[in-house]
Amino acid sequence: GENVEQHPSTLSVQEGDSAVIKCTYSDSASNYFPWYKQELGKGPQLIIDIRSNVGEKKDQRIAVTLNKTAKHFSLHITETQPEDSAVYFCAASPYSSASKIIFGSGTRLSIRP
Amino acid sequence: EAGVAQSPRYKIIEKRQSVAFWCNPISGHATLYWYQQILGQGPKLLIQFQNNGVVDDSQLPKDRFSAERLKGVDSTLKIQPAKLEDSAVYLCASSSRDRGVEAFFGQGTRLTVV
Repeated sequence: GENVEQHPSTLSVQEGDSAVIKCTYSDSASNYFPWYKQELGKGPQLIIDIRSNVGEKKDQRIAVTLNKTAKHFSLHITETQPEDSAVYFCAASPYSSASKIIFGSGTRLSIRP
Repeated sequence: EAGVAQSPRYKIIEKRQSVAFWCNPISGHATLYWYQQILGQGPKLLIQFQNNGVVDDSQLPKDRFSAERLKGVDSTLKIQPAKLEDSAVYLCASSSRDRGVEAFFGQGTRLTVV
């Protein structure tokens, strides 16, 4: 089955700097890669996703890149702000109407003022 | 649209007791997931329903955990008897057939077994 590895487990960056979180996956059948943000006491919230027919996707300060050959995908947050502090999870899934989503172990991002 | 609703938000029980969690997915969402999230870890899939049928329950400890989804809408997850290691947040998520696997999560139920 699918296995998703995520690193780093913790990341501290200065406000205004960029943050990068990296993930690898094992199942070549996976073609959908969502990223979730989880704040304290809340459920994970989808912030951006990418499908395998695209190498990069951007939404304001957030971007994701995908390298299917290497089975790597990454989340990039630019111009970080205090409200970006949270735990971020990557995930992988075959894109269909009934496919399970396998999560990485999470990255706790802290933004220093 | 209303989000995924879960109850209760918190539950404390003694080991060997039973407990049940309830989930109401987003209206019209055919796929429903239950995840277990142990502190400091990523969510781990326990069971996935498509309408009222089970798609995947390979990670569900079936000797103590059970789940059902009546009429393809609401779902309950039960633990009987609970163990200390069941202490975790239990997350329910749903997704629409039309949107593939874009899953929306509820706030979760935090279970503490003492």
